[in-house]
Amino acid sequence: EAGVAQSPRYKIIEKRQSVAFWCNPISGHATLYWYQQILGQGPKLLIQFQNNGVVDDSQLPKDRFSAERLKGVDSTLKIQPAKLEDSAVYLCASRGEALYNSPLHFGNGTRLTVT
Amino acid sequence: AQSVTQLDSQVPVFEEAPVELRCNYSSSVSVYLFWYVQYPNQGLQLLLKYLSGSTLVKGINGFEAEFNKSQTSFHLRKPSVHISDTAEYFCAVSEGGGFKTIFGAGTRLFVKA
Repeated sequence: EAGVAQSPRYKIIEKRQSVAFWCNPISGHATLYWYQQILGQGPKLLIQFQNNGVVDDSQLPKDRFSAERLKGVDSTLKIQPAKLEDSAVYLCASRGEALYNSPLHFGNGTRLTVT
Repeated sequence: AQSVTQLDSQVPVFEEAPVELRCNYSSSVSVYLFWYVQYPNQGLQLLLKYLSGSTLVKGINGFEAEFNKSQTSFHLRKPSVHISDTAEYFCAVSEGGGFKTIFGAGTRLFVKA
């Protein structure tokens, strides 16, 4: 099966600019996650979707971050305006079964550098 | 609330030596435990998982982990490492009642020739 697709792989922007990341999960996977991985740290959950509905966005900085999954398939994460501390790898993951004990499938991530 | 602590940020080891990467978790309910590996410039991939049953679980690439409920630990081991095992390893926990998976800070395993 095709894996989780993310684009772009790398992005460099200046602070206060905006940026968007795209994710296409594995076909049929209803649950989609966006994680932020700062250098030297583990992935931190930003938002979780079940189909096109938000399940958990408690860790999403909503003053600057937004995410959508309009048709319950692919998803977009946006940052506007970006800050220096947003420099990180943004990982998208999907889960095939609606069970908390099934593993996540990750994309290769988008590395964002904010200068 | 659940949390995951990986006790070592870096573990250097010689090729063919055994290795143990330590993980402790805290949770007030039943949990499901995972180890993921991340190679440079790649996403995370599952190494192994503990759901229930035998406390010793085997994963890919010769890794295994042991779930210890009394010590709330889930340490990862391999009896003989290879250069290709050099990567970052993440312990993760999913708590019953939701689909949230929480990750530890990671342990960088560096295998030397």
